[in-house]
Amino acid sequence: ETGVTQTPRHLVMGMTNKKSLKCEQHLGHNAMYWYKQSAKKPLELMFVYSLEERVENNSVPSRFSPECPNSSHLFLHLHTLQPEDSALYLCASSQNTGYGNTIYFGEGSWLTVV
Amino acid sequence: GQNIDQPTEMTATEGAIVQINCTYQTSGFNGLFWYQQHAGEAPTFLSYNVLDGLEEKGRFSSFLSRSKGYSYLLLKELQMKDSASYLCAVHETGANNLFFGTGTRLTVIP
Repeated sequence: ETGVTQTPRHLVMGMTNKKSLKCEQHLGHNAMYWYKQSAKKPLELMFVYSLEERVENNSVPSRFSPECPNSSHLFLHLHTLQPEDSALYLCASSQNTGYGNTIYFGEGSWLTVV
Repeated sequence: GQNIDQPTEMTATEGAIVQINCTYQTSGFNGLFWYQQHAGEAPTFLSYNVLDGLEEKGRFSSFLSRSKGYSYLLLKELQMKDSASYLCAVHETGANNLFFGTGTRLTVIP
């Protein structure tokens, strides 16, 4: 059981669709993250939010659009994706950003772009 | 920048001991984490080292040498459920997040 929940767990979308991934953390943390996990590649940071402000955008294409309405919720809006965007998208949270803060992950959303 | 290296795959026998190594090069170091990830599941936190030496937690121990840019995760009395990927991650000075290695897929065989 994790304190970070993600929905949906699986998503199949066409290249012209618009969909969103949702994340909620129940840990009282101030920082939230989106990571992308592809086969045989390291976890790639996409976005970091601290106290609802985006503090890092790791050169992610604009077809991925994050939204953080409050410190407990994080969305990833998806639009006109490419097949190579198919991957596991992991949401995570930590008490704060910076050293010593353990990052806790959600179960992930498996995305397939067809 | 950062460079984090781990073996891609390892196999070990149930009941045995296995050591998973991680080497890193960073422009500044502020701690190293180990995570376990079972297939299709979230990575879960195992250990955190910021000072040199060994941290023990039950069957799992993690070691750090900052001067050598080296860490290992030691798993004792291996169980079948320990079959998973083990991710090494480094916190670089001034960074807002962790930088991950590609992970080591451990298979425990009877």
